[in-house]
Amino acid sequence: TQLLEQSPQFLSIQEGENLTVYCNSSSVFSSLQWYRQEPGEGPVLLVTVVTGGEVKKLKRLTFQFGDARKDSSLHITAAQPGDTGLYLCADTSGTYKYIFGTGTRLKVLA
Amino acid sequence: ETGVTQSPTHLIKTRGQQVTLRCSSQSGHNTVSWYQQALGQGPQFIFQYYREEENGRGNFPPRFSGLQFPNYSSELNVNALELDDSALYLCASSLQVGLTDTQYFGPGTRLTVL
Repeated sequence: TQLLEQSPQFLSIQEGENLTVYCNSSSVFSSLQWYRQEPGEGPVLLVTVVTGGEVKKLKRLTFQFGDARKDSSLHITAAQPGDTGLYLCADTSGTYKYIFGTGTRLKVLA
Repeated sequence: ETGVTQSPTHLIKTRGQQVTLRCSSQSGHNTVSWYQQALGQGPQFIFQYYREEENGRGNFPPRFSGLQFPNYSSELNVNALELDDSALYLCASSLQVGLTDTQYFGPGTRLTVL
């Protein structure tokens, strides 16, 4: 059974700081998705990466997919309070079943 | 375009009871997946329905069952509730055009079992 481990579990930073969170898989990803979930809401898709070594940018967020397609990172530049939430990575697993990581809970203080 | 909606928002039940949770998929979507998210954890896949048929199932016991209706809305039923069933239950809809597709999540139903 594939396991997705995310680190750190919790992160509390000041507004304007940079941060990186990580997602590591016990097996090769089919394709990797990153989500953000805010309190009282469902996860919202941020990005999908498929190709090893791929880098995608979404405003202040940079997503990197490892060459071996077993790990990924999400870097946020100049974090803002609106970035607060639970960041989840997920493998689409090539089938109907999405496998989610344990999540990184980010709090950005104003 | 209406997004994914779920009802009720919150629910409190006691051990041994049965519960039905409801999900209305996004307009035009024919696939609904259900997830259980325990506090502090990522969502865990329960099952998926595609055009009214179960299309796959995660590691959940048979007391977790579901339905999808002709309008593609869906229900999750849980029998013989246990304390560990306390969680946020999420549904996600998608338009299945291949093996995978973007899922759109609803806000969830928070179930508390006492």
